[in-house]
Amino acid sequence: GEDVEQSLFLSVREGDSSVINCTYTDSSSTYLYWYKQEPGAGLQLLTYIFSNMDMKQDQRLTVLLNKKDKHLSLRIADTQTGDSAIYFCAAPGGGYQKVTFGTGTKLQVIP
Amino acid sequence: GAVVSQHPSWVICKSGTSVKIECRSLDFQATTMFWYRQFPKQSLMLMATSNEGSKATYEQGVEKDKFLINHASLTLSTLTVTSAHPEDSSFYICSALLPAHGTEAFFGQGTRLTVV
Repeated sequence: GEDVEQSLFLSVREGDSSVINCTYTDSSSTYLYWYKQEPGAGLQLLTYIFSNMDMKQDQRLTVLLNKKDKHLSLRIADTQTGDSAIYFCAAPGGGYQKVTFGTGTKLQVIP
Repeated sequence: GAVVSQHPSWVICKSGTSVKIECRSLDFQATTMFWYRQFPKQSLMLMATSNEGSKATYEQGVEKDKFLINHASLTLSTLTVTSAHPEDSSFYICSALLPAHGTEAFFGQGTRLTVV
């Protein structure tokens, strides 16, 4: 089945850029997602990228996809304290409509 | 965006009792909903796929008699944790697929279950 991995923790200063990385194993994934989970809340879909794209930009968010290396990254420009949360990458895999999540990266933004 | 509401947000129950968690799609009909479980410092683990009008499909290792799923309508799926034990304490999250949006799923806010 699909295996999705992320680093567990990232700390950045307010105003700097954050880059959260993710690797996956199933090369047939057609979409790859980034979700945000704030404390005590459910998951919020931040953005997604089709597997035939290398990059997608959405305001402060930039997603880069390297299919050859099965590597996905999320860049947050001008990181704010409100961006502090856990970020999950996710990839379909292991069956129809199933989604496998990474372990999540806790982003801490220092004022 | 589409809204998925989960209730309750948190619940504490005694060991041996059953707990029901509801997942509702508020502004769309969802033929497929998913139930996930999240252990501390671990990622979400898919427990089962809930299909309206049919039996749920459980992932390997998930006890179907313990985690009862009912998807009786296009806007409601329920997860009942039967005879709960402390090891069932976890964060449970549901999601619903938005029709015509492929694999885009919207998540509820989750339910924190504590079994004492």
